[in-house]
Amino acid sequence: DAGVIQSPRHEVTEMGQEVTLRCKPISGHNSLFWYRQTMMRGLELLIYFNNNVPIDDSGMPEDRFSAKMPNASFSTLKIQPSEPRDSAVYFCASSESDREETQYFGPGTRLLVL
Amino acid sequence: KQEVTQIPAALSVPEGENLVLNCSFTDSAIYNLQWFRQDPGKGLTSLLLIQSSQREQTSGRLNASLDKSSGRSTLYIAASQPGDSATYLCAVAKNKLVFGAGTILRVKS
Repeated sequence: DAGVIQSPRHEVTEMGQEVTLRCKPISGHNSLFWYRQTMMRGLELLIYFNNNVPIDDSGMPEDRFSAKMPNASFSTLKIQPSEPRDSAVYFCASSESDREETQYFGPGTRLLVL
Repeated sequence: KQEVTQIPAALSVPEGENLVLNCSFTDSAIYNLQWFRQDPGKGLTSLLLIQSSQREQTSGRLNASLDKSSGRSTLYIAASQPGDSATYLCAVAKNKLVFGAGTILRVKS
């Protein structure tokens, strides 16, 4: 298996622009997670899907952030409009069944908002 | 609110040394504790997962222990190698994974 796939790997955009990050989980995994990593706050869970349904979105910082999982093999995290403070590395992870199991992380998307 | 602390923040050792990384957490009601490795510019790789009912797990040169009642875990690395250089993060799982800030390890050849 190719592991968790994220795209793009790097994104540079200007403040106010829409940003869409994409994730393909490991085939057969039922849970998907979006995390954000910054120097100041470390690694934080943004949202967790199970069987394509959002279960916990309490970590989504504000209404500018939205996430979807239209099917078991694809998820997006959208920021609209983007702000400089959104600059971070965004990771997608997946696990076989639920959040208590081993999570497998993608390589991350490094986002810079100017 | 669960808080996870890792000590030390950074560690530099010569090749061949045995070393211990520490992790503490404030809420002992956890499902499991996981240790991850993160290489610069890369994602996280799961190293060991200890269920709340277990005391330790071993994988190769790595041994992780868990004392849930005292809210502590240690990751022991035997005979360290330059390839072990990375950031090591622990995370505790209850309703979600809560991560520590990590220990940056450098093993000098």
